[in-house]
Amino acid sequence: AQSVSQHNHHVILSEAASLELGCNYSYGGTVNLFWYVQYPGQHLQLLLKYFSGDPLVKGIKGFEAEFIKSKFSFNLRKPSVQWSDTAEYFCAVPQSGNTPLVFGKGTRLSVIA
Amino acid sequence: DSGVTQTPKHLITATGQRVTLRCSPRSGDLSVYWYQQSLDQGLQFLIHYYNGEERAKGNILERFSAQQFPDLHSELNLSSLELGDSALYFCASSPEGGLAGSDTQYFGPGTRLTVL
Repeated sequence: AQSVSQHNHHVILSEAASLELGCNYSYGGTVNLFWYVQYPGQHLQLLLKYFSGDPLVKGIKGFEAEFIKSKFSFNLRKPSVQWSDTAEYFCAVPQSGNTPLVFGKGTRLSVIA
Repeated sequence: DSGVTQTPKHLITATGQRVTLRCSPRSGDLSVYWYQQSLDQGLQFLIHYYNGEERAKGNILERFSAQQFPDLHSELNLSSLELGDSALYFCASSPEGGLAGSDTQYFGPGTRLTVL
């Protein structure tokens, strides 16, 4: 079964710093990959998704992620974070052969002024 | 706003009780998924319904059950509640829910359940 690892539990950055959050999945072959964001007290919102094609995916709010098949990775990046990016970020992959999502444990991002 | 609605927003109840959580999917979406979010377990998939039929089960306890009605709204029933059932329960919907895994899920605001 598919599993997802997010290695960074809590990341603290200053405003304007660059961000990279790691995500690794366990299952090879065709994968669809998602990043969701959960702002404090809110529900999960889709940041970006990869289904096929260009492995560099652009999402909302200046986020992007790169799918590297050989590394089973789908890391999330943003060149310059803002205080409003403070949130929890979840990487997710559908279970093999089915759509329910398997989520990583999440990475809490705190952006300080 | 994702278009997925959940009621109630908060629910406080006692151990041993039974509660029902309700989810209305986005207009036109046929699939509804239920997830539980807790501090120790993270986000866990519970159950998936597609057009009224159960399609997949995850880590759902026998005390929990769900159904999807003809109008596509779904209810999650939690019975014989225990302290450990306290969590955020999210519902998500997607247009189809096919096997390709390429269906995007849109999440509702969640129901926060507190069992005292």
